[in-house]
Amino acid sequence: GAGVSQSPSNKVTEKGKDVELRCDPISGHTALYWYRQSLGQGLEFLIYFQGNSAPDKSGLPSDRFSAERTGGSVSTLTIQRTQQEDSAVYLCASSPTFPGREQYFGPGTRLTVT
Amino acid sequence: AQKITQTQPGMFVQEKEAVTLDCTYDTSDPSYGLFWYKQPSSGEMIFLIYQGSYDQQNATEGRYSLNFQKARKSANLVISASQLGDSAMYFCAANTGNQFYFGTGTSLTVIP
Repeated sequence: GAGVSQSPSNKVTEKGKDVELRCDPISGHTALYWYRQSLGQGLEFLIYFQGNSAPDKSGLPSDRFSAERTGGSVSTLTIQRTQQEDSAVYLCASSPTFPGREQYFGPGTRLTVT
Repeated sequence: AQKITQTQPGMFVQEKEAVTLDCTYDTSDPSYGLFWYKQPSSGEMIFLIYQGSYDQQNATEGRYSLNFQKARKSANLVISASQLGDSAMYFCAANTGNQFYFGTGTSLTVIP
C-alpha cells in the first residue's frame, strides 16, 4: 500500500515569501505529525493532529508557522514570511492512533530559504 | 522540560558483532513511550522498536532489543549480529502527553 507522501520534495524560496508544504498520510491513519530536522540535528516536534484537530500548537517555532488538516487526511504546513533559519527538512509522519507505537514517516520536504 | 540525551555522536562496530547505543531520558511523567528510529543516508526515518513505561519486559524486535532501566532513565538500543546495512543514524525518542522529543542521534558505522 501507499506510504506517507510529501510534496514538494525540494523547495527553494526567497526570504520573505510564503511556502506551503503538503503531507498525504497513510489512508485510515487518524494521527498526523510534523517535524523539522535541521542539518545534522535530531528532529524537532512541531505539531500533531488527531483527526482534523491540533490540540497543542505550542511546538510551532513562531506565529509565522501554521498547519491545518482537512477531511482527516491531507495536511498543509504553511510558513509565512520565510527566514533563512527556516531552512531545514520538514518531515511528516502518521500513525493509526495517537500516540501510537510506531510512526510512519514520509520522505520529507527540503526547504531552502535564500 | 523533557530531554533525550545520546552521548555517542559516532560508533563503529565490526560486522556480526553486537553494539549498544546509549540513550537517557528525563521526564517526571509516569506514563511515557520510548522509541528508536533509524535514518539511513537516504533520509527516511524507519521505526525500530518501542517500549512503554509500564511494560515489564524489555522490548525486542528481531535483532533489536531495548535495554530499559527505568530507575536509571535509560533506554539503550542493542543491535545483535550487526550487518553492513545497519550503518545509519540512530535516534532515540520519547513521547509524553502531547509532545515528542528526539535525541541528536548516533552515527553507526559497520565495518566489514
